[in-house]
Amino acid sequence: QVQLVESGGGVVQTGRSLRLSCAASGFTFSSFAMHWVRQAPGKGLEWMATISSDGSNKYYEDSVKGRFTISRDNSKNTLYLQMNSLRADDTAVYYCAKVPYSNSWLYAEYFHHWGQGTLVTVSS
Amino acid sequence: DIVLTQSPDSLAVSLGERATINCKSSQRILYTSNNKNYLAWYQQKPGQPPKLLISWASTRESGVPDRFSGSGSGTDFTLTISSLQAEDVAVYYCQQYYSTPYTFGQGTKLEIK
Repeated sequence: QVQLVESGGGVVQTGRSLRLSCAASGFTFSSFAMHWVRQAPGKGLEWMATISSDGSNKYYEDSVKGRFTISRDNSKNTLYLQMNSLRADDTAVYYCAKVPYSNSWLYAEYFHHWGQGTLVTVSS
Repeated sequence: DIVLTQSPDSLAVSLGERATINCKSSQRILYTSNNKNYLAWYQQKPGQPPKLLISWASTRESGVPDRFSGSGSGTDFTLTISSLQAEDVAVYYCQQYYSTPYTFGQGTKLEIK
């Protein structure tokens, strides 16, 4: 069955960097676009970024553009989110999420499977 | 950006009664080329990730009880739970995947009356 396991969260100071990972299993990772979605404590869901199956195409939400970088290593079945210049309002649970259709891009970008999330706390 | 506005923000319904949650989009999310509405519904229980309930505005995911249904087109959408069960207590979100940035509604908290 599909499994997505995020890691790399923790407490970090304002302005510092952190890299999140999402280890995927149970499906052909290299065939699916992937996403990062975050949720601040007690708040709603916010889409962050997406990457195509081969890693050649990426889109970002405006508030993280230029600070966050989504990437993937298909040989390791792992998705990444490099987060730089972290701010207090980046504090959230970060989820990786998988789309339902293989070999598609910007077609059906809803989230069929989610990881359990990893908490990032940005503190001064 | 497409803004999704859910109503109400919270809702209390008696067990066995109908619950209705609305989601209004700031622009049409219906692609006329394929006649599909690019809207999904999720359920999130405390301490858990969201769970996909419905895609394409009205297609229920495998394993989702048939008391959950989605309807609507264009800019106005509805999630209906026909007979509320105790396990349906959760926050519900709509999401548009018509265009980036993909956006969610603010959420509707559903409780038992």
